[in-house]
Amino acid sequence: DQQVKQNSPSLSVQEGRISILNCDYTNSMFDYFLWYKKYPAEGPTFLISISSIKDKNEDGRFTVFLNKSAKHLSLHIVPSQPGDSAVYFCAASAQTGANNLFFGTGTRLTVIP
Amino acid sequence: GAGVSQSPSNKVTEKGKDVELRCDPISGHTALYWYRQSLGQGLEFLIYFQGNSAPDKSGLPSDRFSAERTGGSVSTLTIQRTQQEDSAVYLCASSFTRDRRGKGYTFGSGTRLTVV
Repeated sequence: DQQVKQNSPSLSVQEGRISILNCDYTNSMFDYFLWYKKYPAEGPTFLISISSIKDKNEDGRFTVFLNKSAKHLSLHIVPSQPGDSAVYFCAASAQTGANNLFFGTGTRLTVIP
Repeated sequence: GAGVSQSPSNKVTEKGKDVELRCDPISGHTALYWYRQSLGQGLEFLIYFQGNSAPDKSGLPSDRFSAERTGGSVSTLTIQRTQQEDSAVYLCASSFTRDRRGKGYTFGSGTRLTVV
């Protein structure tokens, strides 16, 4: 029962263009969402997050958008750089209940120089 | 250490054998999490330790899995009578406090377990 879904296993983008990574969730109790970035042979590292009281959060080249009615969030990277090539995981948590984060299956982004 | 250390980085074991995976969290981090990622799956929560409290074992997939955390620091995840479906990357993370929001998680680089 995958409560957080990333339906695109991979994405290729030209350097300088926008990368858009998508994530859907099913649990309406989720109220906090995060994106993690993972390079090969390394653990995931936190990238950006958003609370359900917001619909947008921006940090430099990275912006996360949240559409609660659609239970959908997206990560925009502008402009994309070759160093952004990694696997991106979407994650969600609820204020009450589980101690853990719920992760998607990841999207492998390749930025082509 | 500076980061979360996991060992071994790779482990190949025969079906039916027991394995132990080790996690050395960041010094001072009271919370420790184990996750695993099987092929084609997201990171799946296994177990959570917070200080001296009883661990949250709700994510352990079967009674073949167990974990302990000695002295509030190093943790060992033990899988008994391994099965092929146990093959996965096992990730450990630690944080200063119970961190639902996940920003404070520092992950180790994982142990890739292959059961043949």
